[in-house]
Parts: sequence; C-alpha cells; structure tokens
Amino acid sequence: DAKTTQPNSMESNEEEPVHLPCNHSTISGTDYIHWYRQLPSQGPEYVIHGLTSNVNNRMASLAIAEDRKSSTLILHRATLRDAAVYYCILRRSYNTDKLIFGTGTRLQVFP
Amino acid sequence: DGGITQSPKYLFRKEGQNVTLSCEQNLNHDAMYWYRQDPGQGLRLIYYSQIVNDFQKGDIAEGYSVSREKKESFPLTVTSAQKNPTAFYLCASTGLAGARYEQYFGPGTRLTVT
Repeated sequence: DAKTTQPNSMESNEEEPVHLPCNHSTISGTDYIHWYRQLPSQGPEYVIHGLTSNVNNRMASLAIAEDRKSSTLILHRATLRDAAVYYCILRRSYNTDKLIFGTGTRLQVFP
Repeated sequence: DGGITQSPKYLFRKEGQNVTLSCEQNLNHDAMYWYRQDPGQGLRLIYYSQIVNDFQKGDIAEGYSVSREKKESFPLTVTSAQKNPTAFYLCASTGLAGARYEQYFGPGTRLTVT
C-alpha cells in the first residue's frame, strides 16, 4: 500500500488559514487521496477526498499537486473546533475496503 | 438521525474474559468495519464485512471474532486469546464499496482489561 508522510504537529491561530501538507510520492494513477480528522476521544470524521483536480466542500479545500506526489488540506479559517489529528490516506481502487491510517498531523489552534 | 452507535463508551474487564462490543448502524450501509487504535497511533483494521453472513480478516484479526447476522449489526468479540486487548475500538460503515467513497465512524468503545 502506498504510504503517506505528514508532519507530526502544526499550530495555528484562530481565524487564520491552515495548510496541512501530505507527501505521497509512491501514489499510483488510480489512488484516491482521502482526508479524515479525529477529535479527542472520538471516531474519525471524513473531511474531503480527490483524485486529480482540486476539490472544495463546506469543511475544507484539497489542493493536489500536478504530479500527484503531494497534496495539501486547506482550512480557510481555523476555529478552536478544528483542533484534531488530521489523517491523509490513499485508497487503492482495487483494495477499496482498507483505510491505511498513519499517525497523522496533530493541529493545535490557539485563540 | 442516521448514524453508527457503539456501546458502551467505556468497558472494563478482567484478563481471561471474552467481551463483546456492540456496533449498530441505521444508515442502510452494506459494508461495516472494526478498527483498533492504540495511544498516539493511527487505526488498524481488525475485520470487515461487505454483506450479511460474510466477513474478512483485516490486518490484526488474531484474538478477535465477528458475526454479521443482520445488515445493521456487526458485533466484535475480543477473546481471551488477544494478548493486548486494552485499546480504543472503532466501528465504521460505508454505503458503497470503492475508493471514491468515505467511511462513517462510530464514537468508539474504550476497552480496559486488567
């Protein structure tokens, strides 16, 4: 399974944009890039996913590099409720039932 | 509201006892999953089921068993054979199989075995 690399932790101030990077240099052509986040003592929550094009939804934006070897999750205005561990996950089209979680990025948001 | 229910939130057991964790969903999802999470780590897949009466082992199935007699229910039994059962257990489901679709997670059960 293709691996992702994320920084262990990041910090942001409230109301500021946050860019969470993810490297996935061994990504294959049919791998989807998924992002989940996990608040303390809760189950993970789906955030966004994409294949090649940049994606936007009500929670965040996903910017995918042209070569697809990296991507960035963008929170446009961080709030205290965005403090969580963010996981970048590749989903193989032929192994669709597995979500391979790494250790993610712990985002701290300061008031 | 539709969602996934896991009960109880906290569970304490003595070593050597089997324990069953409940997972129920009313999302009409076909596929259901069990994950385990240890402190500071990501989630690891224990078992998953794509249809009723069928399930497959994940990466760490040893010491666990599951059943899928109903579409909405996927209970996990942690047996006495599981060497390190203390962990946070998460159940998930998805309506459609495929890399394009997201998984929905329950709130989790924190199991402590002493």
